[in-house]
Amino acid sequence: QVQLQESGPGLVKPSQTLSLTCTVSGGSISSGSYYWSWIRQPAGKGLEWIGRIYTSGSTNYNPSLKSRVTISVDTSKNQFSLKLNSVTAADTAVYYCARDLGYPNTDSWGQGTLVTVSS
Amino acid sequence: DIQMTQSPSSLSASVGDRVTITCRASQSITSYLNWYQQKPGKAPKLLIYAASSLQSGVPSRFSGSGSGTDFTLTISSLLPEDFATYYCQQSYNTPLTFGGGTKVEIK
Repeated sequence: QVQLQESGPGLVKPSQTLSLTCTVSGGSISSGSYYWSWIRQPAGKGLEWIGRIYTSGSTNYNPSLKSRVTISVDTSKNQFSLKLNSVTAADTAVYYCARDLGYPNTDSWGQGTLVTVSS
Repeated sequence: DIQMTQSPSSLSASVGDRVTITCRASQSITSYLNWYQQKPGKAPKLLIYAASSLQSGVPSRFSGSGSGTDFTLTISSLLPEDFATYYCQQSYNTPLTFGGGTKVEIK
């Protein structure tokens, strides 16, 4: 049973870069064929898909964030990461990492981590 | 981007009620539609994939239907643990998009 855990700073200053890591346990991030995604949810609001990276390394990003987002994989650490630059208060949200959104039996989510953008 | 519109945005219901939530896509997504349940402070949980297939371990009181642009999630008889927010999500193409959510509250 794969498990995902987000980690990173809970507070980021405006204009700086938000950096989060998702550690995968219970399986290798580089084995099989999976999509590894980042999703965020502002307090009291809905879910927004940020982007994903495939096992091969190819990426897809939400056009609304594409100019500021980078998702990468570190197979040696069994992790994948999110970098969002030039953050503003509008980027304050709970950030989730997930595997294979909507795929039967492989859809898995981390517990989420709150990131606040404030000076 | 494919826009997903859910209705209602909230509803009040009693234990034992039959509840129906609808989701409409801005273009055809064939059957690439998933339903999630989210409880406060928790990550979303997949209930239904491919519009009508029940995720393993999900109770049979949950069902999904539809294709093309119009979809429905039905809870046949509401239990106390079903009070939550429900989201539809299309996986037809990227960017993956979610509906705005339907909060099911206790009447």
